[in-house]
Amino acid sequence: AQTVTQSQPEMSVQEAETVTLSCTYDTSESDYYLFWYKQPPSRQMILVIRQEAYKQQNATENRFSVNFQKAAKSFSLKISDSQLGDAAMYFCGGPRGSTLGRLYFGRGTQLTVWP
Amino acid sequence: EAGVTQSPTHLIKTRGQQVTLRCSPISGHTSVYWYQQALGLGLQFLLWYDEGEERNRGNFPPRFSGRQFPNYSSELNVNALELEDSALYLCASSLGTGNQPQHFGDGTRLSIL
Repeated sequence: AQTVTQSQPEMSVQEAETVTLSCTYDTSESDYYLFWYKQPPSRQMILVIRQEAYKQQNATENRFSVNFQKAAKSFSLKISDSQLGDAAMYFCGGPRGSTLGRLYFGRGTQLTVWP
Repeated sequence: EAGVTQSPTHLIKTRGQQVTLRCSPISGHTSVYWYQQALGLGLQFLLWYDEGEERNRGNFPPRFSGRQFPNYSSELNVNALELEDSALYLCASSLGTGNQPQHFGDGTRLSIL
């Protein structure tokens, strides 16, 4: 069975600082993909970053990067130089194999950014 | 390029009624997914359609159903509405499976009185 767990219901960070959001998952797939989405109050789910499990290199998108530990089944999101606009609910999604359509999501982490 | 569009934005219904939610995927996307986001429960997978066929179904009762049309748009139908069906219903589309990300619409907020 596939599961995704986000153990931090809430996190807060000062503007310009760095914050890390945690995510662990379980899967029997050997090749799969993982995603982080953010959901601001406008409620649209926006893709932040994705990681392919067969790649050893951690994905990076501007200020967003992941720490992917395949053996530990851990997929954390690091936000550097946090901005007020980063405040949102963040969802970890996956694992999604080549034959799996659906995404499994964690319960989300509400990120607050303080000025 | 237009994103995933959902209609209506907001619906208010009473218990026992029926509702139809609509979703138009991004042009070229053949897969459509439906998720329910109830308060405090994260996103729960409902249905996955690809090329007009239902490919997977989440752990929801049969009164939740849907379909995908030849133009890849999709409908979600909920019969015999219950109070606990109050939620944000999100539709997503993707080019395929695997590494193709799902792109989400703004959702339909369904309130049951």
